Amino acid sequence: KAGVTQTPRYLIKTRGQQVTLSCSPISGHRSVSWYQQTPGQGLQFLFEYFSETQRNKGNFPGRFSGRQFSNSRSEMNVSTLELGDSALYLCASSHETSDGELFFGEGSRLTVL
Amino acid sequence: GEDVEQSLFLSVREGDSSVINCTYTDSSSTYLYWYKQEPGAGLQLLTYIFSNMDMKQDQRLTVLLNKKDKHLSLRIADTQTGDSAIYFCAERGTRYSTLTFGKGTMLLVSP
Repeated sequence: KAGVTQTPRYLIKTRGQQVTLSCSPISGHRSVSWYQQTPGQGLQFLFEYFSETQRNKGNFPGRFSGRQFSNSRSEMNVSTLELGDSALYLCASSHETSDGELFFGEGSRLTVL
Repeated sequence: GEDVEQSLFLSVREGDSSVINCTYTDSSSTYLYWYKQEPGAGLQLLTYIFSNMDMKQDQRLTVLLNKKDKHLSLRIADTQTGDSAIYFCAERGTRYSTLTFGKGTMLLVSP
Protein backbone atom coordinates (compact mmCIF):
# COMPACT_ATOMS: atom_id res chain seq x y z
CA LYS A 1 0.00 0.00 0.00
CA ALA A 2 1.55 3.31 -1.05
CA GLY A 3 2.09 5.95 1.60
CA VAL A 4 1.35 9.66 1.51
CA THR A 5 3.05 11.21 -1.51
CA GLN A 6 4.06 14.86 -1.62
CA THR A 7 5.44 16.72 -4.61
CA PRO A 8 7.71 18.44 -5.20
CA ARG A 9 10.13 17.41 -2.46
CA TYR A 10 12.28 20.51 -2.80
CA LEU A 11 11.72 23.87 -4.41
CA ILE A 12 13.27 27.32 -4.40
CA LYS A 13 11.24 30.46 -5.04
CA THR A 14 11.83 34.18 -4.75
CA ARG A 15 9.86 36.69 -2.72
CA GLY A 16 6.59 37.69 -4.32
CA GLN A 17 6.17 34.48 -6.30
CA GLN A 18 3.51 31.89 -5.61
CA VAL A 19 3.82 28.15 -5.10
CA THR A 20 1.55 25.12 -5.31
CA LEU A 21 2.27 21.93 -3.37
CA SER A 22 0.55 18.61 -3.96
CA CYS A 23 -0.39 15.75 -1.67
CA SER A 24 -1.77 12.33 -2.60
CA PRO A 25 -3.17 10.57 0.47
CA ILE A 26 -3.14 6.86 1.16
CA SER A 27 -5.69 5.07 -0.98
CA GLY A 28 -9.09 5.14 0.72
CA HIS A 29 -8.21 8.03 3.04
CA ARG A 30 -10.56 10.98 2.73
CA SER A 31 -9.05 13.38 5.26
CA VAL A 32 -6.00 15.43 4.31
CA SER A 33 -4.41 18.00 6.58
CA TRP A 34 -1.44 20.31 6.10
CA TYR A 35 1.20 21.49 8.56
CA GLN A 36 4.07 23.94 8.39
CA GLN A 37 7.30 23.07 10.19
CA THR A 38 9.90 25.71 10.96
CA PRO A 39 12.78 25.69 13.48
CA GLY A 40 11.29 28.62 15.37
CA GLN A 41 7.59 27.78 15.47
CA GLY A 42 7.69 24.00 15.25
CA LEU A 43 4.75 22.20 13.67
CA GLN A 44 1.74 24.38 13.05
CA PHE A 45 -1.60 23.34 11.61
CA LEU A 46 -2.62 25.01 8.35
CA PHE A 47 -5.90 23.40 7.28
CA GLU A 48 -7.77 20.14 6.92
CA TYR A 49 -9.97 18.85 4.13
CA PHE A 50 -12.49 16.04 4.15
CA SER A 51 -14.49 15.01 1.09
CA GLU A 52 -13.50 18.18 -0.79
CA THR A 53 -14.60 20.49 2.06
CA GLN A 54 -12.32 22.51 4.29
CA ARG A 55 -13.50 21.64 7.77
CA ASN A 56 -10.82 23.24 9.91
CA LYS A 57 -8.34 26.06 9.45
CA GLY A 58 -5.32 27.20 11.43
CA ASN A 59 -4.18 30.72 12.15
CA PHE A 60 -2.43 31.61 8.90
CA PRO A 61 -2.95 34.61 6.61
CA GLY A 62 -5.17 34.40 3.55
CA ARG A 63 -2.10 33.98 1.34
CA PHE A 64 -2.25 30.33 2.35
CA SER A 65 -5.03 28.40 0.67
CA GLY A 66 -5.85 24.86 -0.28
CA ARG A 67 -8.30 22.58 -1.93
CA GLN A 68 -9.16 18.92 -2.22
CA PHE A 69 -10.26 17.07 -5.32
CA SER A 70 -12.82 14.31 -5.71
CA ASN A 71 -10.06 11.68 -5.64
CA SER A 72 -8.95 13.07 -2.22
CA ARG A 73 -5.73 14.52 -3.60
CA SER A 74 -5.04 17.94 -2.12
CA GLU A 75 -3.10 21.00 -3.10
CA MET A 76 -2.02 23.98 -1.07
CA ASN A 77 -1.06 27.31 -2.50
CA VAL A 78 0.96 30.15 -1.03
CA SER A 79 0.78 33.46 -2.86
CA THR A 80 3.07 36.49 -2.58
CA LEU A 81 5.80 34.49 -0.91
CA GLU A 82 7.74 35.97 1.99
CA LEU A 83 11.11 34.91 3.39
CA GLY A 84 9.33 33.61 6.48
CA ASP A 85 7.39 31.10 4.39
CA SER A 86 10.55 29.01 4.05
CA ALA A 87 9.63 25.79 5.77
CA LEU A 88 8.93 22.10 5.47
CA TYR A 89 5.28 21.63 4.50
CA LEU A 90 3.88 18.32 5.64
CA CYS A 91 0.71 16.61 4.56
CA ALA A 92 -1.12 14.01 6.64
CA SER A 93 -3.87 11.62 5.68
CA SER A 94 -6.33 9.60 7.70
CA HIS A 95 -9.27 7.38 6.93
CA GLU A 96 -11.89 9.18 8.96
CA THR A 97 -12.27 11.07 12.18
CA SER A 98 -12.93 8.00 14.30
CA ASP A 99 -9.84 6.16 13.09
CA GLY A 100 -6.73 6.94 15.12
CA GLU A 101 -4.10 6.33 12.46
CA LEU A 102 -2.73 9.49 10.91
CA PHE A 103 0.17 9.21 8.46
CA PHE A 104 2.48 11.91 7.14
CA GLY A 105 4.32 12.29 3.88
CA GLU A 106 7.99 13.18 3.51
CA GLY A 107 7.16 16.84 3.05
CA SER A 108 7.91 19.59 0.57
CA ARG A 109 10.83 21.78 1.56
CA LEU A 110 10.29 25.33 0.34
CA THR A 111 13.10 27.88 0.33
CA VAL A 112 12.18 31.49 -0.38
CA LEU A 113 15.06 33.76 -1.44
CA GLY B 1 -5.99 26.82 23.62
CA GLU B 2 -4.39 23.42 23.58
CA ASP B 3 -0.74 23.13 24.53
CA VAL B 4 1.72 20.24 24.45
CA GLU B 5 5.04 20.35 26.33
CA GLN B 6 8.07 18.12 25.99
CA SER B 7 11.62 18.22 27.28
CA LEU B 8 13.99 19.25 24.51
CA PHE B 9 16.82 16.78 24.81
CA LEU B 10 17.60 13.27 26.08
CA SER B 11 20.89 11.42 25.90
CA VAL B 12 21.22 7.68 26.58
CA ARG B 13 23.71 4.87 26.05
CA GLU B 14 23.04 2.11 23.55
CA GLY B 15 21.19 -0.76 25.18
CA ASP B 16 19.62 1.40 27.90
CA SER B 17 15.93 2.29 28.05
CA SER B 18 14.81 5.76 26.99
CA VAL B 19 11.80 7.52 28.45
CA ILE B 20 10.43 10.61 26.72
CA ASN B 21 7.77 12.57 28.57
CA CYS B 22 4.99 14.84 27.39
CA THR B 23 2.25 16.87 29.07
CA TYR B 24 -0.84 18.28 27.41
CA THR B 25 -3.65 20.56 28.45
CA ASP B 26 -6.69 19.50 26.40
CA SER B 27 -8.78 17.28 28.65
CA SER B 28 -10.98 16.30 25.69
CA SER B 29 -8.14 14.75 23.68
CA THR B 30 -9.26 11.60 21.87
CA TYR B 31 -5.92 10.22 20.71
CA LEU B 32 -2.32 10.90 21.66
CA TYR B 33 0.52 10.20 19.29
CA TRP B 34 4.24 9.69 19.10
CA TYR B 35 6.03 10.50 15.86
CA LYS B 36 9.70 10.14 14.96
CA GLN B 37 11.52 12.50 12.62
CA GLU B 38 14.97 11.82 11.22
CA PRO B 39 17.03 14.58 9.56
CA GLY B 40 15.53 15.71 6.27
CA ALA B 41 12.57 13.36 6.56
CA GLY B 42 8.87 13.59 7.30
CA LEU B 43 7.09 12.32 10.41
CA GLN B 44 6.96 8.59 10.99
CA LEU B 45 4.02 7.38 13.06
CA LEU B 46 5.49 5.26 15.87
CA THR B 47 2.42 4.57 17.93
CA TYR B 48 -0.75 6.14 19.25
CA ILE B 49 -3.07 5.54 22.16
CA PHE B 50 -6.77 6.11 22.57
CA SER B 51 -7.56 8.36 25.51
CA ASN B 52 -9.48 5.67 27.45
CA MET B 53 -6.42 3.43 27.59
CA ASP B 54 -3.68 3.49 30.21
CA MET B 55 -0.98 1.63 28.36
CA LYS B 56 -0.08 0.32 24.95
CA GLN B 57 2.86 -1.89 24.08
CA ASP B 58 4.27 -2.45 20.62
CA GLN B 59 7.53 -4.42 20.44
CA ARG B 60 10.21 -2.15 22.02
CA LEU B 61 7.78 0.72 22.54
CA THR B 62 5.59 1.23 25.60
CA VAL B 63 3.21 4.17 25.89
CA LEU B 64 1.82 5.16 29.26
CA LEU B 65 -1.06 7.59 29.61
CA ASN B 66 -2.08 9.25 32.86
CA LYS B 67 -5.24 11.05 31.86
CA LYS B 68 -5.78 12.58 35.29
CA ASP B 69 -2.39 14.33 35.15
CA LYS B 70 -2.51 14.75 31.35
CA HIS B 71 0.86 13.05 31.11
CA LEU B 72 2.05 10.80 28.28
CA SER B 73 5.32 8.91 28.09
CA LEU B 74 7.13 6.82 25.50
CA ARG B 75 9.54 4.16 26.67
CA ILE B 76 11.96 2.66 24.17
CA ALA B 77 13.55 -0.55 25.41
CA ASP B 78 17.07 -1.56 24.35
CA THR B 79 17.68 1.77 22.63
CA GLN B 80 19.81 1.57 19.50
CA THR B 81 21.87 4.23 17.69
CA GLY B 82 19.27 4.08 14.90
CA ASP B 83 16.74 5.43 17.40
CA SER B 84 18.56 8.78 17.44
CA ALA B 85 16.02 11.27 16.10
CA ILE B 86 13.52 13.90 17.19
CA TYR B 87 10.38 12.52 18.83
CA PHE B 88 7.15 14.49 18.74
CA CYS B 89 4.21 14.09 21.02
CA ALA B 90 0.84 15.20 19.60
CA GLU B 91 -2.72 15.31 20.81
CA ARG B 92 -5.92 15.19 18.79
CA GLY B 93 -9.12 16.81 19.98
CA THR B 94 -12.68 15.64 19.59
CA ARG B 95 -13.32 17.28 16.27
CA TYR B 96 -11.65 16.60 12.94
CA SER B 97 -8.15 15.20 12.56
CA THR B 98 -6.21 18.25 13.71
CA LEU B 99 -3.10 17.59 15.80
CA THR B 100 -1.38 19.88 18.27
CA PHE B 101 2.31 19.07 18.52
CA GLY B 102 4.97 19.54 21.14
CA LYS B 103 8.30 21.10 20.16
CA GLY B 104 9.96 17.69 19.97
CA THR B 105 12.55 15.85 22.05
CA MET B 106 15.92 15.18 20.47
CA LEU B 107 17.09 11.70 21.48
CA LEU B 108 20.81 11.07 21.14
CA VAL B 109 21.98 7.47 21.55
CA SER B 110 25.69 6.97 22.05
CA PRO B 111 27.51 3.66 21.47
